[in-house]
Amino acid sequence: QVQLVESGGGLVKPGGSLRLSCAASGFSFSDYYMNWIRQAPGKGLEWVSYTSSITTYTNYADSVKGRFTVSTDNAKNSLYLQMNSLRAEDTAVYYCARARYSSTSCSDYWGQGTLVTVSS
Amino acid sequence: DIQMTQSPSTLSASVGDRVTITCRASQTISSWLAWYQQKPGKAPKLLIYKASSLESGVPSRFSGSGSGTEFTLTISSLQPDDFATYYCQQYSSSSTFGQGTEVEIK
Repeated sequence: QVQLVESGGGLVKPGGSLRLSCAASGFSFSDYYMNWIRQAPGKGLEWVSYTSSITTYTNYADSVKGRFTVSTDNAKNSLYLQMNSLRAEDTAVYYCARARYSSTSCSDYWGQGTLVTVSS
Repeated sequence: DIQMTQSPSTLSASVGDRVTITCRASQTISSWLAWYQQKPGKAPKLLIYKASSLESGVPSRFSGSGSGTEFTLTISSLQPDDFATYYCQQYSSSSTFGQGTEVEIK
């Protein structure tokens, strides 16, 4: 069965960096686009980024462009999100999600999320 | 960027009610629209993709319609398990979510 497990969240100071990981299993990782989607406390969903390990194509929301970098490691079936220059408004639960086959960001499987808190 | 506007923000309904949620895109997105259900503390669950296609395992009381800029999610007969927050998402150009609609018990 498809499983996505995020890790790497925690407390970081404004201006700091953090790297999130998502371990995928139960499907052919390289065949799918993978997404990061976040949700600030008590707020709605915000798409952050997607990537394809086959095409290496990436796309980012304007709110994170130039600060966040998404990447994959097919050998480890893993998705990553390197987050730099973090701001208070980046505080959120970050979800890793698999896009439906032939879609970029319509997501059929989600992880449980990892909480990132940016605060001094 | 494409903006997605959902209405209403909150909806009060009773078990057995027919419920309709609307999502409007700021520009045409063809049928590249999905609907999700989210319960507190849980990850969202995909209900509908490509505007009207029912995701596997989702009850048939859920349906989606629309194309272009106007879309609706309908629950034909609201069940106790359906009280949750619903989001639309466009995936025509990058991706954007609506602000959500909370379906609460009347």
